[in-house]
Amino acid sequence: QGQLVQSGAEVKKPGASVKVSCKASGYIFTTYDITWVRQAPGRGLEWMGWISGYNGNTNYAQKFQGRVTMTTDTPTSTAYMELRSLRSDDTAVYYCARRMRVGATQFHAFDVWGQGTMVTVSS
Amino acid sequence: DIQMTQSPSSLSASVGDRVTLTCQASQDISNYLNWYQQKPGKAPKLLIYDASNLQTRVPSRFSGSGSGTDFSFTISSLQPEDIATYYCQQYDNLPITFGQGTRLEIK
Repeated sequence: QGQLVQSGAEVKKPGASVKVSCKASGYIFTTYDITWVRQAPGRGLEWMGWISGYNGNTNYAQKFQGRVTMTTDTPTSTAYMELRSLRSDDTAVYYCARRMRVGATQFHAFDVWGQGTMVTVSS
Repeated sequence: DIQMTQSPSSLSASVGDRVTLTCQASQDISNYLNWYQQKPGKAPKLLIYDASNLQTRVPSRFSGSGSGTDFSFTISSLQPEDIATYYCQQYDNLPITFGQGTRLEIK
C-alpha cells in the first residue's frame, strides 16, 4: 500500500530557501515517481513537478524552473523538494504524492499522499 | 497550459441525493482525467483515474465518465462523509493542471 511522511512546518523570511522531506515506507521506493503539489491557503492544487525514484530524473513545471530542486536519497527512501528565493505567495501546504503504478503501467494519477507541510513565508 | 473548469463551484445537496459535478478542459485531453476528494485539513484522495476507473477500495457510489473536453463525476447516493471539495486533474499535457474545485455541502 505505502505511506509518505513529510517533515514539519516551516516559517521562512522572504528570499530564504526551504527544503521539505518526504519519507516513503511500505513499498519499493525505486519503482515509483514522487510528485510535489502545493496548495495556498483557501486555494486549489498546483503541480510543481516530479522525480523518478528509479534514476532521479526530474520534470519541473515551467513556473518553478530555476527555483525548485527535487532530489531523492534511495538508502533512506526519502524525497526532497527545495524551493529558493521564497516570496509571500509561496505560503502554502506542500504535498508529496506517489505516482500510481499498476503492474508495469504507470499512471499520471497520485494514489498515496503525504500529510502535507505548511510553509509560511513572512517577514 | 490546459485550463480545467469545474462547475458548479459549490453545491448543496441532501443525503441520498444523486449528485453530478462537471469538469471541462480547454482542449481535447482524451480520457486523461482523474478525480480527487479533499476533506478540510487533509491531503487529496484519488477516487477515479482515466476518467472512469474506480480506484481500489473506493465505494461504488462514486463514478466518472466523459472524454475529449467534457467530463462528469457522480455520487449516486450522497452520504454525510462525502462532504468535501472535489478536484479534477488532467495529464494529457504537462504541466499537470487541476480544476479549481467543487465544494460539496449537505443541505
